[in-house]
Amino acid sequence: ETGVTQTPRHLVMGMTNKKSLKCEQHLGHNAMYWYKQSAKKPLELMFVYNFKEQTENNSVPSRFSPECPNSSHLFLHLHTLQPEDSALYLCASRGLDRGNSPLHFGNGTRLTVT
Amino acid sequence: DAKTTQPNSMESNEEEPVHLPCNHSTISGTDYIHWYRQLPSQGPEYVIHGLTSNVNNRMASLAIAEDRKSSTLILHRATLRDAAVYYCIISGGGADGLTFGKGTHLIIQP
Repeated sequence: ETGVTQTPRHLVMGMTNKKSLKCEQHLGHNAMYWYKQSAKKPLELMFVYNFKEQTENNSVPSRFSPECPNSSHLFLHLHTLQPEDSALYLCASRGLDRGNSPLHFGNGTRLTVT
Repeated sequence: DAKTTQPNSMESNEEEPVHLPCNHSTISGTDYIHWYRQLPSQGPEYVIHGLTSNVNNRMASLAIAEDRKSSTLILHRATLRDAAVYYCIISGGGADGLTFGKGTHLIIQP
């Protein structure tokens, strides 16, 4: 149990589908993150939210659309994805003191785009 | 974030201590040193972090060089469950998302 819950754990979708990934934390953290981990590659930071406001978007294609309705929940809406978007998508959160506050990760959603 | 350099892989025997090195020569005075590990099919897991002094917790110890340009994660008695990729990351107070490198793939031999 990591304190950060991601659903679903596995997702298979076609290129024309629309799906959403969900992340939930009840650790009292005010910053939430989406990372992408492709096979044999380092984690790539996608989006950062602080107090529900997006503060960072690392040149992510518009077919990925994040949403943060409150400090405890984070979504990643997916539409018209490509096979190369198949990866492990990880959500993380941490507290106010960035340097001194560890990141807490969920176990990710393994996405396969067919 | 300051860049870190770690060996690609290391091998150790079960029940022996493991010392995982990390160089971070561009670290600034307010940056913390964080270590995470990632087991297969799981998200990264926080291990330990520190600023200047050595740190101990139930998982590991962190030894930080006096000039803070390097650090060592110490697993006192490795088990097969410690086989994972270990990431050393510098976390600044101003920066937000942490930048992960390739980490060190730790192999534990029975």
